[in-house]
Amino acid sequence: EDQVTQSPEALRLQEGESSSLNCSYTVSGLRGLFWYRQDPGKGPEFLFTLYSAGEEKEKERLKATLTKKESFLHITAPKPEDSATYLCALPGEYGNKLVFGAGTILRVKS
Amino acid sequence: GAGVSQSPRYKVAKRGQDVALRCDPISGHVSLFWYQQALGQGPEFLTYFQNEAQLDKSGLPSDRFFAERPEGSVSTLKIQRTQQEDSAVYLCASSLASGAGFNSPLHFGNGTRLTVT
Repeated sequence: EDQVTQSPEALRLQEGESSSLNCSYTVSGLRGLFWYRQDPGKGPEFLFTLYSAGEEKEKERLKATLTKKESFLHITAPKPEDSATYLCALPGEYGNKLVFGAGTILRVKS
Repeated sequence: GAGVSQSPRYKVAKRGQDVALRCDPISGHVSLFWYQQALGQGPEFLTYFQNEAQLDKSGLPSDRFFAERPEGSVSTLKIQRTQQEDSAVYLCASSLASGAGFNSPLHFGNGTRLTVT
């Protein structure tokens, strides 16, 4: 069965301190990957879709990259408003669902 | 435009009671998904509808869980004889295209937090 593992579980950064979040997976065949952001008390909000190994996507201070085994979400010069839980997800084998990781809780202090 | 709307926002049920959770997807969205999210965990898939057809219910944890989308729009997740382990946030998501693929991302509601006492 497809599995998605995110690390670290939690990350505390100072404002402006860049870092990366990891999403690794074991799948029968890579079918792409999604990144979502979830604020407390809210549903996940779509960030990126990555279709194939080597692809990169950027949005403001966030950049997502994809290899055959893992994906990284790079956060450059984060601000307190970037604090949230970041979730990665893979499509299930038959495309009827997304399989989510447990998420990384990011806290950015000013 | 309006996003995915879920009601109630919070629900407290006594063990053994039945509950019904409602989801209003974005108008015109073909696909509708229900997910369960425990505290500190990622969302776990429950079931998937394409229009009114329930194409995948492999994630429903027991026969106490039942979902319907009779007219291909609003959906209801019903939990019978609630148990404490049912306490979680129940999220609904919709997408414009079929399936959970890449043609259209999933748009989530803010969930219903169910507490079973």
